[in-house]
Amino acid sequence: SQTIHQWPATLVQPVGSPLSLECTVEGTSNPNLYWYRQAAGRGLQLLFYSVGIGQISSEVPQNLSASRPQDRQFILSSKKLLLSDSGFYLCAWNDLSADTQYFGPGTRLTVL
Amino acid sequence: AQSVTQPDIHITVSEGASLELRCNYSYGATPYLFWYVQSPGQGLQLLLKYFSGDTLVQGIKGFEAEFKRSQSSFNLRKPSVHWSDAAEYFCAVGAGSNDMRFGAGTRLTVKP
Repeated sequence: SQTIHQWPATLVQPVGSPLSLECTVEGTSNPNLYWYRQAAGRGLQLLFYSVGIGQISSEVPQNLSASRPQDRQFILSSKKLLLSDSGFYLCAWNDLSADTQYFGPGTRLTVL
Repeated sequence: AQSVTQPDIHITVSEGASLELRCNYSYGATPYLFWYVQSPGQGLQLLLKYFSGDTLVQGIKGFEAEFKRSQSSFNLRKPSVHWSDAAEYFCAVGAGSNDMRFGAGTRLTVKP
């Protein structure tokens, strides 16, 4: 069966520091991968998605970037964090045969 | 453009009472429709989905949803709520794997 991992689970970072969040998927090949952000009391905002290694589509312009160095690895990065980057970051993968997204456990990021 | 509206930000029901969470969508064709549940600090878990066919869809944990094209709605229901159902519920609409939109969510509180 497929599983999706995210780490770290929780992160507290100062403003201006770099960021690297990692997402990996097991049990599937060539998945579509997604990064979402969920601000407190709000819905999900799609940040990036990837249909293959090195292929990244950005939905919202911001100081975040994403990379997909391996088929089942998706990384969310920032060179300098802003206070507004605080939130809950969710990675998801898509089961193309079922046209359904499945989510990881999330990373809680607090920028101070 | 497709969009999803969940009119109720917060709902409180008594344990054992019935539940209905509302979801309205805007989309030019028949969309793919989803309900996810999120427990505090966790990722999203798929409850059920509708692509085509029978408009009454059964999901996990005793939930069901009904697609009503004439009302552009996909409301989630449960006949008898359990304390463990307290969580945030998200409706989503998609035209495909890379084109999903989520509602802002409805937070469910269950009174003993």
